Amino acid sequence: AQSVTQLDSQVPVFEEAPVELRCNYSSSVSVYLFWYVQYPNQGLQLLLKYLSGSTLVESINGFEAEFNKSQTSFHLRKPSVHISDTAEYFCAVSDLYSGGSNYKLTFGKGTLLTVNP
Amino acid sequence: GAGVSQSPSNKVTEKGKDVELRCDPISGHTALYWYRQSLGQGLEFLIYFQGNSAPDKSGLPSDRFSAERTGGSVSTLTIQRTQQEDSAVYLCASSFPGSFSYEQYFGPGTRLTVT
Repeated sequence: AQSVTQLDSQVPVFEEAPVELRCNYSSSVSVYLFWYVQYPNQGLQLLLKYLSGSTLVESINGFEAEFNKSQTSFHLRKPSVHISDTAEYFCAVSDLYSGGSNYKLTFGKGTLLTVNP
Repeated sequence: GAGVSQSPSNKVTEKGKDVELRCDPISGHTALYWYRQSLGQGLEFLIYFQGNSAPDKSGLPSDRFSAERTGGSVSTLTIQRTQQEDSAVYLCASSFPGSFSYEQYFGPGTRLTVT
């Protein structure tokens, strides 16, 4: 069975400060890794994903995450946050070999990022 | 094109009543997933459809929960004899496995409140 741990349930930061949202996972098989974001009163949206290849992946709005297989981590970082980044961020994994095309997601409990002026 | 839609957006029901939640996936998406988002448990997988069949029902919490999908499109999640612990936001997601992007597109959810 897989599990995802997001160590911080809430992260308050000031605008233009750097931020790191931590994610660790456990799985007996290889996984795909995702970060989803939920803005206030909106649905879940994919922020970025790691499938294979380069372990550093980036989003279009300046976030990046690095897959570290030895530490089973996929931490999300941004060097300078904006007020508009205030949202809940969910780390998720999907089993590479779940069978057929079933790529159900196992989510962490989420980290609420609050960016203050 | 249109995204995943869900109805109703909010549902308040009395304990013991049955409810039906509807999901309209993105056209052409053969894979459909139901998840539940609750305060205590976070986001949990409920059931996976490939076409009209459900090869993975492992996340359904009890036999009061069932789901079906017709025409490879619309899906309905039914909860019988609702309990207060069923209160949550029910999310539907769809994807096209053939794209190999592995991205799931989520609907806005149905907020279910059992009183």
